[in-house]
Amino acid sequence: EVQLAASGGALIQPGGSLRLSCAGSGFTFSHYWMHWVRQVPGKGLEWLCRIKNDGSIVDYADSAKGRFAISRDNAKNTLALQMNSLRVEDTAVYFCTSEQFWGRGTLVTVSS
Amino acid sequence: VLTQTPLSLSVTPGQPASISCKSSQSLLRSGGRTYFFWYVQKPGQPPQLLISEVSTRFPGVPDRFSGSASGTDFTLDISRVEAEDAGVYYCMQSMQLPLTFGGGTKLEIK
Repeated sequence: EVQLAASGGALIQPGGSLRLSCAGSGFTFSHYWMHWVRQVPGKGLEWLCRIKNDGSIVDYADSAKGRFAISRDNAKNTLALQMNSLRVEDTAVYFCTSEQFWGRGTLVTVSS
Repeated sequence: VLTQTPLSLSVTPGQPASISCKSSQSLLRSGGRTYFFWYVQKPGQPPQLLISEVSTRFPGVPDRFSGSASGTDFTLDISRVEAEDAGVYYCMQSMQLPLTFGGGTKLEIK
């Protein structure tokens, strides 16, 4: 069974940093581009970033550029998102996805 | 930009439904593959893939779901809506950066 699960969400103050993780199983993780997508509760989906299967290419949305960093460890089937300089508007549920498979999201709340 | 319509629709079981997604730019690639997806999200769950590459149903997706395209217009059709089809439907393109989603269409079953 394919499983993807994001973790690491928390309540964090503006300006703070947070690292999200995503563990994959049940599929060949190293074959897939992986993405982070977020969703403000009750709103639509916003793509943030992606990383090529071998980690050699990363792309970011403008909202993530310069503050967020995506990385992966294919030996451990894990994806990460380092988020710095967090803003109130970064409050959302964060999902990891390979486009075909989506994981349970993790809630990040940025508030003082 | 993907403009998705309608914002919501209410359909009687057994009736058809259609959701449109219009791209502001051409999404065709020279290799002939178009990375355009349809997802459904049910309350409290992550999105689930229905259709990839415009018209390829993901394994396990009922054949009442179909996808098509004409130029920059993409369509998801449900031939006969069932109660379990309720949710919010999103289109997505991964042909161009940034990847973008449509705004979503809420399907309600009468």
